[in-house]
Amino acid sequence: DGGITQSPKYLFRKEGQNVTLSCEQNLNHDAMYWYRQDPGQGLRLIYYSQIVNDFQKGDIAEGYSVSREKKESFPLTVTSAQKNPTAFYLCASSISSGSGSGELFFGEGSRLTVL
Amino acid sequence: GQQVMQIPQYQHVQEGEDFTTYCNSSTTLSNIQWYKQRPGGHPVFLIQLVKSGEVKKQKRLTFQFGEAKKNSSLHITATQTTDVGTYFCAGPGLRYNFNKFYFGSGTKLNVKP
Repeated sequence: DGGITQSPKYLFRKEGQNVTLSCEQNLNHDAMYWYRQDPGQGLRLIYYSQIVNDFQKGDIAEGYSVSREKKESFPLTVTSAQKNPTAFYLCASSISSGSGSGELFFGEGSRLTVL
Repeated sequence: GQQVMQIPQYQHVQEGEDFTTYCNSSTTLSNIQWYKQRPGGHPVFLIQLVKSGEVKKQKRLTFQFGEAKKNSSLHITATQTTDVGTYFCAGPGLRYNFNKFYFGSGTKLNVKP
């Protein structure tokens, strides 16, 4: 089945540790995204990528890093510089064309808790 | 910067009552999308509106895009317990940055049976 796979689903981290969240899609989508969701709040864009080997900062990129070496994969690293990393992280992808993007397809999310 | 505001933040209704959530953008949108997130789940795409004044229906759900393409609404007729969740609107970025979607803060709907 086509879709987006995020792992791990739950992750616990000690303060000062970097963690990497995996996101893989087999939808052949060019654009991929990382969003952060805090309890009772909307989605805030961390990073997005419109094409392989290229990515752009979203609104809350500080303390995060990404790579886009393959079309299918867009891993997110939460670094120790991120002051409040406990949150629900959502990866998404979409078709990207010159006239804009289609719908976003989301993974099931990764819930990160910093102890 | 570009902002998408959504109201109300919460709505509690009795099953069978209607429900409406409103989305307002600080800038003109080329299109607007609506998503539903069930408790503990991930957002799922509902619909995209593109034309000024567009109205689309999906069974009990009616979506509307304002004439100025700066606001949108989602109306649910005769809510059911299966409608429980958070509804988000999302608008794309400006100019060339169509892939940068801005999400509203969402409206959390609770339906009492």
